[in-house]
Amino acid sequence: GNSVTQMEGPVTLSEEAFLTINCTYTATGYPSLFWYVQYPGEGLQLLLKATKADDKGSNKGFEATYRKETTSFHLEKGSVQVSDSAVYFCALSYRNTDKLIFGTGTRLQVFP
Amino acid sequence: GAVVSQHPSWVICKSGTSVKIECRSLDFQATTMFWYRQFPKQSLMLMATSNEGSKATYEQGVEKDKFLINHASLTLSTLTVTSAHPEDSSFYICSAGGQGLASYEQYFGPGTRLTVT
Repeated sequence: GNSVTQMEGPVTLSEEAFLTINCTYTATGYPSLFWYVQYPGEGLQLLLKATKADDKGSNKGFEATYRKETTSFHLEKGSVQVSDSAVYFCALSYRNTDKLIFGTGTRLQVFP
Repeated sequence: GAVVSQHPSWVICKSGTSVKIECRSLDFQATTMFWYRQFPKQSLMLMATSNEGSKATYEQGVEKDKFLINHASLTLSTLTVTSAHPEDSSFYICSAGGQGLASYEQYFGPGTRLTVT
């Protein structure tokens, strides 16, 4: 079946460090891929998306590239800030359904 | 983006009792609402999808008589966990979608942590 696997957290970094959160997926066909972020006390928010192979999604300094050959969608940021501390969820969906399939979430903690 | 609230944010109840969780879209007409559950260190799992005025569609393995979903208006959906047991302890999250929106264009509530003792 379709699934998403994320690296287990927490990921702890100092401010301005480079961030990578790994995400791989198992799916039939060609799903769309997403990263969501959940700040403390708030609901999940769409951070970025990619709808086809080799697409790069980007937002707020975060990037992720849809790699079909490695079935991956790793999240990266060149220089994290304390305000990036949150839980990050990788997800996939298909165009013809309403369903989102999520990973387990990875908590990021950034210290000054 | 639109705001979705959930109430309560956390609840503790005794085994055998029922508990109701509310999900409201504050500035948005939600034709579709989704209910998710997340156990510790596991994925956010879709439980059911409800369209305003219709019966909810439950995912495989989710007991519809145990998890009662009502979506009576475009701004409110409720999830009632009936005869709760400790294994129902989990984090419940709702999200709201609108007509014409893609699946990823859901607005999520902050979640409700349920603990059944």
